[in-house]
Amino acid sequence: GAGVSQSPSNKVTEKGKDVELRCDPISGHTALYWYRQSLGQGLEFLIYFQGNSAPDKSGLPSDRFSAERTGGSVSTLTIQRTQQEDSAVYLCASSLVAGGAPQETQYFGPGTRLLVL
Amino acid sequence: AQTVTQSQPEMSVQEAETVTLSCTYDTSENNYYLFWYKQPPSRQMILVIRQEAYKQQNATENRFSVNFQKAAKSFSLKISDSQLGDTAMYFCAFNYGQNFVFGPGTRLSVLP
Repeated sequence: GAGVSQSPSNKVTEKGKDVELRCDPISGHTALYWYRQSLGQGLEFLIYFQGNSAPDKSGLPSDRFSAERTGGSVSTLTIQRTQQEDSAVYLCASSLVAGGAPQETQYFGPGTRLLVL
Repeated sequence: AQTVTQSQPEMSVQEAETVTLSCTYDTSENNYYLFWYKQPPSRQMILVIRQEAYKQQNATENRFSVNFQKAAKSFSLKISDSQLGDTAMYFCAFNYGQNFVFGPGTRLSVLP
């Protein structure tokens, strides 16, 4: 079946512009995560969705970052007034189970490489 | 808060040899999951192997196996008969509930 997809795969933008990154999780996966990966670094947690709600927004680095998820499926991560330090790969992952119990394996999308000039 | 440490930023191994990547973590939880993910230059994160903390038996997947030491909070990955396609970043990850924490990664190079 289809895996997690993300679009665009690459995005170049000018400092100060807004960008939207899209994630299509695996059908039926209730949990969705966004991560940021700077060049050569590990994964930095940004936000977690359980269905359409985001119980954990603690990783969003500033109020320029926001995310939404509609219909329990597609999610968009929006970065307003982009800065050069926002340049990174943004990864999305989804999994089957959400809640207090340990979750199933996360399945990752290919990521969006964002470059802010 | 949970933390994951990978003390080897870079490693190399000759093709067909065996290599072990280290991972330690810190948690007060008793029932959790541990994962090793591989990220090749294509940047697609791929699950290599996972371990449930309540299982004492070490997980194995073909050439990949783990040495899970729960008391020591250690979760190392052994790659046997290394292949050129194993060249990648390897991330150790911890999961409890909705919390996923990743280590900083180990860059593995398999040399011909």
